[in-house]
Amino acid sequence: NAGVTQTPKFRVLKTGQSMTLLCAQDMNHEYMYWYRQDPGMGLRLIHYSVGEGTTAKGEVPDGYNVSRLKKQNFLLGLESAAPSQTSVYFCASSTHRTVNYGYTFGSGTRLTVV
Amino acid sequence: AQKITQTQPGMFVQEKEAVTLDCTYDTSDPSYGLFWYKQPSSGEMIFLIYQGSYDQQNATEGRYSLNFQKARKSANLVISASQLGDSAMYFCAMRFDTGRRALTFGSGTRLQVQP
Repeated sequence: NAGVTQTPKFRVLKTGQSMTLLCAQDMNHEYMYWYRQDPGMGLRLIHYSVGEGTTAKGEVPDGYNVSRLKKQNFLLGLESAAPSQTSVYFCASSTHRTVNYGYTFGSGTRLTVV
Repeated sequence: AQKITQTQPGMFVQEKEAVTLDCTYDTSDPSYGLFWYKQPSSGEMIFLIYQGSYDQQNATEGRYSLNFQKARKSANLVISASQLGDSAMYFCAMRFDTGRRALTFGSGTRLQVQP
């Protein structure tokens, strides 16, 4: 089925380790986003991209980097993980071609930093 | 500043009754979109309903309707005939048509449907 795929689904990291979360979409959407969701809270925007080769900071970008080398992929990197980055990470994509913008979310990545 | 506020951390409703989940927003932009999402305990984000700022009529999708009061800057979700499967977190979100076009989310309301 068409949609947004996130890998991995779960990960445990030690403080100071690095990792990359991969988001792939097959809907030819222009825009892609990374959010984090902490317990009992709404989603907060980390970084976003309005097109291939472009990225921009969201509300909570510190400690993360992103890249969008191909239109269908949006990578989120943690260079030196901290316990404060323990969270559930959601990737999403959208398009300007539909009335409600077709926001589609991945199933999430649960990251624990110990 | 652009902000979404959900003032009800938790709500209870009896099965088969209707329930209203509140959402207010703050923006000076004339063009924007309002969304409601459901997040069950399994964690996925499920799109429920959308309302554009220029839409004249309130949006409806099956048992979901959005009570859009533009002057009051509110976009409440009404769920009719609640079912046990409606128990979940519900998030109001907003998209601004200028700038980054990302959704900004409220803090959510946990709805529990009681038999």
